[in-house]
Amino acid sequence: DAGVIQSPRHEVTEMGQEVTLRCKPISGHNSLFWYRQTMMRGLELLIYFNNNVPIDDSGMPEDRFSAKMPNASFSTLKIQPSEPRDSAVYFCASNNPQEHYTFGSGTRLTVV
Amino acid sequence: RKEVEQDPGPFNVPEGATVAFNCTYSNSASQSFFWYRQDCRKEPKLLMSVYSSGNEDGRFTAQLNRASQYISLLIRDSKLSDSATYLCVVGGYNKLIFGAGTRLAVHP
Repeated sequence: DAGVIQSPRHEVTEMGQEVTLRCKPISGHNSLFWYRQTMMRGLELLIYFNNNVPIDDSGMPEDRFSAKMPNASFSTLKIQPSEPRDSAVYFCASNNPQEHYTFGSGTRLTVV
Repeated sequence: RKEVEQDPGPFNVPEGATVAFNCTYSNSASQSFFWYRQDCRKEPKLLMSVYSSGNEDGRFTAQLNRASQYISLLIRDSKLSDSATYLCVVGGYNKLIFGAGTRLAVHP
């Protein structure tokens, strides 16, 4: 298995632009998670899906953030409009219930 | 109070030392427990699961005390390659909560 695949690996964008992060979970995993990591706040859970349905989005910082999972093999996290404080590493992870997570390599986002 | 609390470190130890990390969690209903390792600029990776009876994987030993809501990780005979951040992770049925991590630096 190729593991959890995220794209792009790096993204540099100007403030106000739309940013779309992509994730392909491990085939057969029922759950998908989006995390954000910064030095100040560590790993923060933004949202997670079970069987493509959003279960808990209480970690999404504000309305500028949205996430979708149109099918079992693909999810997106969108920021519109982006702001400098959104600069972070965004990780996607997947698992089956009560199993450990497998993380993707992350997208390093810089908003200037 | 944070759901999972760890000493941030850093722990600076010489090669060959034994080092112990501790972690406490607030939700007594938690069902699953793990230690993850994260190298600089990389994703977190599973180091080991933690079981009530305690478990060992080579130089690594993990312990869980449900009554005290406390988890520990012991690393014996530290290697330079053990330098990383160690994340304590606690979960319910599905969602996992990550501690902020403890940084370990092993020096020659």
